[in-house]
Amino acid sequence: DAGVTQSPTHLIKTRGQQVTLRCSPKSGHDTVSWYQQALGQGPQFIFQYYEEEERQRGNFPDRFSGHQFPNYSSELNVNALLLGDSALYLCASSLVGYEQFFGPGTRLTVL
Amino acid sequence: AQSVTQLDSQVPVFEEAPVELRCNYSSSVSVYLFWYVQYPNQGLQLLLKYLSGSTLVKGINGFEAEFNKSQTSFHLRKPSVHISDTAEYFCAVSDRKSGGYQKVTFGIGTKLQVIP
Repeated sequence: DAGVTQSPTHLIKTRGQQVTLRCSPKSGHDTVSWYQQALGQGPQFIFQYYEEEERQRGNFPDRFSGHQFPNYSSELNVNALLLGDSALYLCASSLVGYEQFFGPGTRLTVL
Repeated sequence: AQSVTQLDSQVPVFEEAPVELRCNYSSSVSVYLFWYVQYPNQGLQLLLKYLSGSTLVKGINGFEAEFNKSQTSFHLRKPSVHISDTAEYFCAVSDRKSGGYQKVTFGIGTKLQVIP
């Protein structure tokens, strides 16, 4: 059983560009959450998707948006990239109300 | 709003010695508590969780934690560490009202360095 997978593993962008990160949840899971982990920090909650809708959101600007597809996979989009968006982006999947399982993350570098 | 304070950013400890990683939380509502481990270049793995019941929680890899409501603490302990325990450890909290696991607030992490 594959766990949570994320793509790509690494990504380099320049300021002002847009980026899309992808996440495939663990088999049987219907909920996907996204977290940003800056260097030396703990993960910060961005938002959570369930039934293709954003259900909860953390303190992130509207430049951060997402989507969940009917097969429960998810995308995180970040527009107008800033240097401060450089981080490890973690996806976690779960059955709603149950334990979250984390993927290995996508390392985004903004130059 | 919740917050988590991990009191030590780095903890060096000799192999086979005991270790305690400290965590305090703040919340206006009842909470669920978690400890996660992150090995280099990997995602997070759940070590243990407190949902209700016994305040002493046992997890994987020989770790345990004790929930102390009066002190709002959830310290992680292991009686004898191994080289393979070298990693970063995150304490996390989620309020019961939001559905438990749904919006998790993490501390900044404690780097455990096991010295041979």
